[in-house]
Amino acid sequence: KAGVTQTPRYLIKTRGQQVTLSCSPISGHRSVSWYQQTPGQGLQFLFEYFSETQRNKGNFPGRFSGRQFSNSRSEMNVSTLELGDSALYLCASSLAAGQSYEQYFGPGTRLTVT
Amino acid sequence: DQQVKQNSPSLSVQEGRISILNCDYTNSMFDYFLWYKKYPAEGPTFLISISSIKDKNEDGRFTVFLNKSAKHLSLHIVPSQPGDSAVYFCAAGRGDMRFGAGTRLTVKP
Repeated sequence: KAGVTQTPRYLIKTRGQQVTLSCSPISGHRSVSWYQQTPGQGLQFLFEYFSETQRNKGNFPGRFSGRQFSNSRSEMNVSTLELGDSALYLCASSLAAGQSYEQYFGPGTRLTVT
Repeated sequence: DQQVKQNSPSLSVQEGRISILNCDYTNSMFDYFLWYKKYPAEGPTFLISISSIKDKNEDGRFTVFLNKSAKHLSLHIVPSQPGDSAVYFCAAGRGDMRFGAGTRLTVKP
């Protein structure tokens, strides 16, 4: 069974631009969560999607948004990029919502904002 | 809102010795706890877990201890091997997990 895939793996953008990251969950998994990893802050929860609905949201500004499609694939969008948005963005999938103790992570997308 | 804290950003131990990684949480409602291991350029991978009804769980060289009264858990790796060098994240929650900032473990040959 294929694991969680994320595209692209690396991305360089400039301040003020917007970016879209993509995540394909493990086949059969319907819940997708997004995390931001920065040095010293660890993994910070962005949001979780289940059945195309945002189920849970972390403490991030409205510039961060996401969506989920009917095939459970998810996209995350960040608008008006800031230097502080440089981070590793991780996606994780699980079979159902509220089961993040059984989630599987993708390799992440490394975003650099210059 | 740091509900899960790993106060040591790094730890260095000699091969063959014990590695002890610590984690504290603030919410007494948390009932499930996990440790993840992360290598560079890879996503975190599940290592070991413990539920609040237990105080110890072992899996080979890895043991997780839970002290509910102190809201503290620890991961023991014995004996430590160079391949254990990675960033270790603890996570705690009740359904939705919250992660600590991670501890970078370096095992020296």
